[in-house]
Amino acid sequence: KNEVEQSPQNLTAQEGEFITINCSYSVGISALHWLQQHPGGGIVSLFMLSSGKKKHGRLIATINIQEKHSSLHITASHPRDSAVYICAVNPRRGGSEKLVFGKGTKLTVNP
Amino acid sequence: EPEVTQTPSHQVTQMGQEVILRCVPISNHLYFYWYRQILGQKVEFLVSFYNNEISEKSEIFDDQFSVERPDGSNFTLKIRSTKLEDSAMYFCASSGAGGSRAGELFFGEGSRLTVL
Repeated sequence: KNEVEQSPQNLTAQEGEFITINCSYSVGISALHWLQQHPGGGIVSLFMLSSGKKKHGRLIATINIQEKHSSLHITASHPRDSAVYICAVNPRRGGSEKLVFGKGTKLTVNP
Repeated sequence: EPEVTQTPSHQVTQMGQEVILRCVPISNHLYFYWYRQILGQKVEFLVSFYNNEISEKSEIFDDQFSVERPDGSNFTLKIRSTKLEDSAMYFCASSGAGGSRAGELFFGEGSRLTVL
């Protein structure tokens, strides 16, 4: 079983729509990361969370530690938001620093 | 914003050849990582490096892989004898210990390795 599960796998939206991408994980974690992977392959960090909620521009990330669940929201989506969004966690195992990645959610925003 | 740079962006090699992938992490970062992503699959951890030594490695990181920080700025991944299954995008990442973005990973653009 994957330690990090994302849903949906693929998401198509119209410009302006509100987007939600979900991430569930099965292990204790010290932090959760939301990342964006561009069509060319490059990866950009969007958020690192250990509790609560963070906001940056049109992006909002929330985490519920008790439920082992996080969501990434995009308000007023735009075609330039089209990318793969990846959830990754730092498992809380003996000082491990590595990230365990989900498979990603491919978002396409149509004009 | 400071960035992690990787070279080459794409390398094609013959099976059995040695490959060195290079990375220049962000200058005041202390933790360095290599990850890889086989086409169509999720990103996988290879190795982490701190204080001039490997701090953690995955099962993938076997004896054919090695990492070095030879001169205080570059961070390299060497694959001694490449196999077809080493074809992947290799990402270097670094993170710092302090400040508002402590623990956040900064990724390079990746080096695509194709083994023929």
